[in-house]
Amino acid sequence: NAGVTQTPKFQVLKTGQSMTLQCAQDMNHNSMYWYRQDPGMGLRLIYYSASEGTTDKGEVPNGYNVSRLNKREFSLRLESAAPSQTSVYFCATAPYSNQPQHFGDGTRLSIL
Amino acid sequence: TQLLEQSPQFLSIQEGENLTVYCNSSSVFSSLQWYRQEPGEGPVLLVTVVTGGEVKKLKRLTFQFGDARKDSSLHITAAQPGDTGLYLCAGASGTYKYIFGTGTRLKVLA
Repeated sequence: NAGVTQTPKFQVLKTGQSMTLQCAQDMNHNSMYWYRQDPGMGLRLIYYSASEGTTDKGEVPNGYNVSRLNKREFSLRLESAAPSQTSVYFCATAPYSNQPQHFGDGTRLSIL
Repeated sequence: TQLLEQSPQFLSIQEGENLTVYCNSSSVFSSLQWYRQEPGEGPVLLVTVVTGGEVKKLKRLTFQFGDARKDSSLHITAAQPGDTGLYLCAGASGTYKYIFGTGTRLKVLA
């Protein structure tokens, strides 16, 4: 199916470990986003990439880095995981910024 | 900081009842979207509203954008168990970003 693919779907880390969450899309969209979803807080934007070659901070960027590897792929890296980063992470894409977003099914990350 | 507050946070109703979910902000948005999210999946777009006062209908769902483009509502007529899910509103903020609401978790009982 065409869409947004996130890997892995589940992951458990120990505090201090590093990890990269992968996102790939085959929709030929220009804009890509990383969100985290926590109970009672909706979706909060971590980083976004308006187009290939650009990345910008969102609302909650601390503790994360991103790479827009090419038009299809946008990865999110946790350099030194902390328990506060336990969350469900969603990648989303849009044809252009401020257009309807298409979401992946999420990565459920637990940090012990 | 722009905020989008949704109410109610939780709603449990019987099949066939009507309901309204609200999305409110003190900020003006150029457009607003509604999504539905089911467990284990990402949000799925239901509708985008752009013009102040705009009303859009999607089968039994009616969406309205406030005249001042600061608020929106979602009304469901004759709710069905298939409507169960988390409803999220999202307002376009600046050029590149959306601000998401806190969500309304709806459960429709058969």
